[in-house]
Amino acid sequence: GENVEQHPSTLSVQEGDSAVIKCTYSDSASNYFPWYKQELGKGPQLIIDIRSNVGEKKDQRIAVTLNKTAKHFSLHITETQPEDSAVYFCAASNPNDYKLSFGAGTTVTVRA
Amino acid sequence: KAGVTQTPRYLIKTRGQQVTLSCSPISGHRSVSWYQQTPGQGLQFLFEYFSETQRNKGNFPGRFSGRQFSNSRSEMNVSTLELGDSALYLCASANGRGAGDIQYFGAGTRLSVL
Repeated sequence: GENVEQHPSTLSVQEGDSAVIKCTYSDSASNYFPWYKQELGKGPQLIIDIRSNVGEKKDQRIAVTLNKTAKHFSLHITETQPEDSAVYFCAASNPNDYKLSFGAGTTVTVRA
Repeated sequence: KAGVTQTPRYLIKTRGQQVTLSCSPISGHRSVSWYQQTPGQGLQFLFEYFSETQRNKGNFPGRFSGRQFSNSRSEMNVSTLELGDSALYLCASANGRGAGDIQYFGAGTRLSVL
């Protein structure tokens, strides 16, 4: 089955700096890669996603890149703000599985 | 549009008991997935239902079961509870058109087994 690895497990950045989280996946058939943000006491919230026919996608301060050959994808958050502090999860989906395989999560802390 | 609703939000049970959790998906969504979230294992897939049929199942023992009703609402049941079943149980809904649908999560049910 799909195995998703996520690094780093914790990330502390100064407000205004950038944050980068990296994930690798094992199943070359995976073609959908969402990123979720989870705040304390809440369920995961989709913040951005990318499909395998696209190499990069951007939404305001958030961007995701995908390298299908290397089987890795990354989340980039620019101009970080205190409200960006949360746990971020990457995930991968195989077109035949009807499920998401998640990375272990990255706890991001933005220092004011 | 209302989001994914999970009830109850919190549950406390003792070992050996059984529990039923409920999930109401976003209106119009026909796919419901369940995930278990623990500090040690992270988010793990339990099962997915579409139009009352289970399309996929994760690697959990048979004590974990689920079902989906004709109105797309879903329930999951855990029998003979063990301490290790303490977790946040998350439900996600999707329109069900195919794999790779955007999944929207509820706030979860926090289960504590004593």
